[in-house]
Amino acid sequence: DVVMTQTPVSLPVSLGGQASISCRSSQSLVHSNGNTYLHWYLQKPGQSPQVLIYRVSNRFSGVPDRFSGSGSGTDFTLKISRVEPEDLGDYYCYKSTHFPPTFGSGTKLEIK
Amino acid sequence: EVQLVESGGGLVQPGRSLKLSCAASGFTFSNYDMAWVRQAPTKGLEWVASISTGGGNTYYRDSVKGRFTISRDNAKSTLYLQMDSLRSEDTATYYCARTPNWYFDFWGPGTMVTVSS
Repeated sequence: DVVMTQTPVSLPVSLGGQASISCRSSQSLVHSNGNTYLHWYLQKPGQSPQVLIYRVSNRFSGVPDRFSGSGSGTDFTLKISRVEPEDLGDYYCYKSTHFPPTFGSGTKLEIK
Repeated sequence: EVQLVESGGGLVQPGRSLKLSCAASGFTFSNYDMAWVRQAPTKGLEWVASISTGGGNTYYRDSVKGRFTISRDNAKSTLYLQMDSLRSEDTATYYCARTPNWYFDFWGPGTMVTVSS
């Protein structure tokens, strides 16, 4: 199975600052159809997960442009600029290119 | 407004069965693949099973294959997860999620399943 390595585990940030989360896969996430199925989720405390970014860099409807996704092949990054209190929670990358679909282990974004 | 509401969770003894339901509204249920994702207490997210729009194709993670069955009733806009031979490691909050294009765009609030004697 493809292994997803998400770092860091914990990410202390200052309000108004920038955060960066990395997700690396043990195999390329480019599907034979040319698409890359790597997505990002945020789970706020006590809530269900919500999608932020789908297919590497596409912001989901209603997601602020402070969130951006990038990367290709095996290396992907989620960047959050101008961090706000509502951004706190657990972030997960998720790949669905290969079976079985797999989440990263998560990154807890917290206030410094 | 898209809504997914899970039900059927609870406390169950190891080896017993439980059936979860997910009632969908606010969209044409039969047009979307659906999935179950779970989260053990204080742990990360784990995909469990998926089903195609018509129910003809189903997929499971290895640890639940042969014990869990995902199904759907498009006339009732409802997704199901039949869980048999439950184990303590199945203890988790179970979420149903809509799957438009190989990712989950809407999730329910979840239902808690506790497997314990």
